[in-house]
Amino acid sequence: GNSVTQMEGPVTLSEEAFLTINCTYTATGYPSLFWYVQYPGEGLQLLLKATKADDKGSNKGFEATYRKETTSFHLEKGSVQVSDSAVYFCALLNQGGKLIFGQGTELSVKP
Amino acid sequence: GAGVSQSPSNKVTEKGKDVELRCDPISGHTALYWYRQSLGQGLEFLIYFQGNSAPDKSGLPSDRFSAERTGGSVSTLTIQRTQQEDSAVYLCASSPGQPITDTQYFGPGTRLTVL
Repeated sequence: GNSVTQMEGPVTLSEEAFLTINCTYTATGYPSLFWYVQYPGEGLQLLLKATKADDKGSNKGFEATYRKETTSFHLEKGSVQVSDSAVYFCALLNQGGKLIFGQGTELSVKP
Repeated sequence: GAGVSQSPSNKVTEKGKDVELRCDPISGHTALYWYRQSLGQGLEFLIYFQGNSAPDKSGLPSDRFSAERTGGSVSTLTIQRTQQEDSAVYLCASSPGQPITDTQYFGPGTRLTVL
């Protein structure tokens, strides 16, 4: 079946450090891939998405590239800020329209 | 414009009681989804509506859980005879519905605590 695996957290970084959160998936076909973010006390927000192989999603300085050869969708940001502290979820959209989420990765950025 | 809204934001109930959770999707969105977020299980799909019908109920954990949608808009998730393991944040999402690959937009959730 479809599944998503993310690197475990929590991840603690200093401000302006480089961020990578790994995400790999198992799926039939080529599903759309998403990163959602959940800031403290808030709901899930779409951060970025990619709908086909080699697509790069980007938003707010975050990027992720859909790699079918490695079945990965790693999230990166060149210079994190304290305001990026949140829980990040990788997800795939299966053929039935349901989102399959990874377990989430908590990021804490220290000044 | 207005996003997905859910009510109540918090609900505390006693074991064995019934609860109803409400979701108002974004206006014009035909697809509506319920998910559950809990410490032990992460984010899990519960049920999907297209219009008023539910083509996929596969995520409902037991027959104590049911959901309906009326007028192609508001949806209610009902949990009967609540158990402590039902404690979680219940999230609702909506999408335009066509194509099915559209982005899902989430509401703030209802935090359910069963004592």
